[in-house]
Amino acid sequence: KNEVEQSPQNLTAQEGEFITINCSYSVGISALHWLQQHPGGGIVSLFMLSSGKKKHGRLIATINIQEKHSSLHITASHPRDSAVYICAVRYVNYGGSQGNLIFGKGTKLSVKP
Amino acid sequence: DGGITQSPKYLFRKEGQNVTLSCEQNLNHDAMYWYRQDPGQGLRLIYYSQIVNDFQKGDIAEGYSVSREKKESFPLTVTSAQKNPTAFYLCASSTRRTSGGSEQFFGPGTRLTVL
Repeated sequence: KNEVEQSPQNLTAQEGEFITINCSYSVGISALHWLQQHPGGGIVSLFMLSSGKKKHGRLIATINIQEKHSSLHITASHPRDSAVYICAVRYVNYGGSQGNLIFGKGTKLSVKP
Repeated sequence: DGGITQSPKYLFRKEGQNVTLSCEQNLNHDAMYWYRQDPGQGLRLIYYSQIVNDFQKGDIAEGYSVSREKKESFPLTVTSAQKNPTAFYLCASSTRRTSGGSEQFFGPGTRLTVL
């Protein structure tokens, strides 16, 4: 079964800490997305990547295609970064809704002041 | 401002009633999606549409129906056949999907509670 695994499930950090959230998947993908969901429920797309590394402000996303693994890093974390971070992949071949996104369960991040 | 709107934010219905959730986008996107989110689970795809007057079932389409009569609108009806309708529903849109995929833009969601 093609699944997306995220770790950790929950993460508490002190303001200023460097944070890493991990995502692993099982077979070949065409793209990987990192999303942010705030307590109100709305979701914002942070990154879409298929190789290498992308950076936006204090956020960095990396992907290792050979290891089927991606990480989302937050530098100098701030309480406003508190949210659920979701990894989603588009598998090359998936028996269900082919080509659609498969989502991880999310990592709940809480940054304390 | 371009974006996706969903209404209402909170919706309460009695068991056995059909209910329609609204989703409108002004991003000129061809593709639209409906997802369901339950506590402790990842988002699951209900239906998607890549073009007007066409839509496809997702992974959990049973008990739901959709229409795509206009490019900007993709309403979702939760029917009485849906056994566990209480959930958070998210609508999304993207440009027409290429082999590598495209970024999806999400609406604010509708929290449906069936009493």
